[in-house]
Amino acid sequence: EVQLVESGGGLVQPGESLRLSCAASGFTFSSYAISWVRQAPGKGLEWVSIISGSGYTTYYADSVKGRFTISRDNSKNTLYLQMNSLRAEDTATYYCAKDPYWGGGGSFDVWGQGTMVNVSS
Amino acid sequence: EIVMTQSPATLSVSPGERATLSCRASQSVSSNLAWYQQKPGQAPRLLIFGASTRATGIPGRFSGSGSGTEFTLTISSLQSEDFAVYYCQQYNNWPPLTFGGGTKVEIK
Repeated sequence: EVQLVESGGGLVQPGESLRLSCAASGFTFSSYAISWVRQAPGKGLEWVSIISGSGYTTYYADSVKGRFTISRDNSKNTLYLQMNSLRAEDTATYYCAKDPYWGGGGSFDVWGQGTMVNVSS
Repeated sequence: EIVMTQSPATLSVSPGERATLSCRASQSVSSNLAWYQQKPGQAPRLLIFGASTRATGIPGRFSGSGSGTEFTLTISSLQSEDFAVYYCQQYNNWPPLTFGGGTKVEIK
């Protein structure tokens, strides 16, 4: 079964850091780009970042550029999102989502269940 | 950045009736358009990609159409499990990948 499982969410104070993980199984992890997509409480979906299958190419939404870093360890079938200088507006459920292509640029055909990040003092 | 606009924000439909949801792009996205369904407390699920191709396991009552800037998701006969929020997403010009604001389909 193709599966993505996120972890690492929690409650942090503004300015602090957090690292999310996304463990993949059931497919050849290194063959596909993966994105992080977030959803603030009661709001719509917002794309955050994408990484290619090799890990060499990454892109970010302007709202997180310079604060968040996406990475992957293909030997561990795991995706990461390092989030620094967190703000209240980063509060959301964070989903990892699989792209059907190695380089990205497709729809999201598999989603994790999400992990909640709450940034509050 | 391509802005995706969905209408209406809320659609009230009776079970068994047809639902028609619209998505408009601020510039052409060709057929690089996907639709997702999200139920409360769940992750989104891919319904349609390439504007009109159903994803694996999606029932035939879901259909997508359109190209360029105007797209439609049609649910031919609403079932109880179809009441949810639906999002469109473009992947033609990126980054960023962009979503519409969503349409909530509720029971009339």
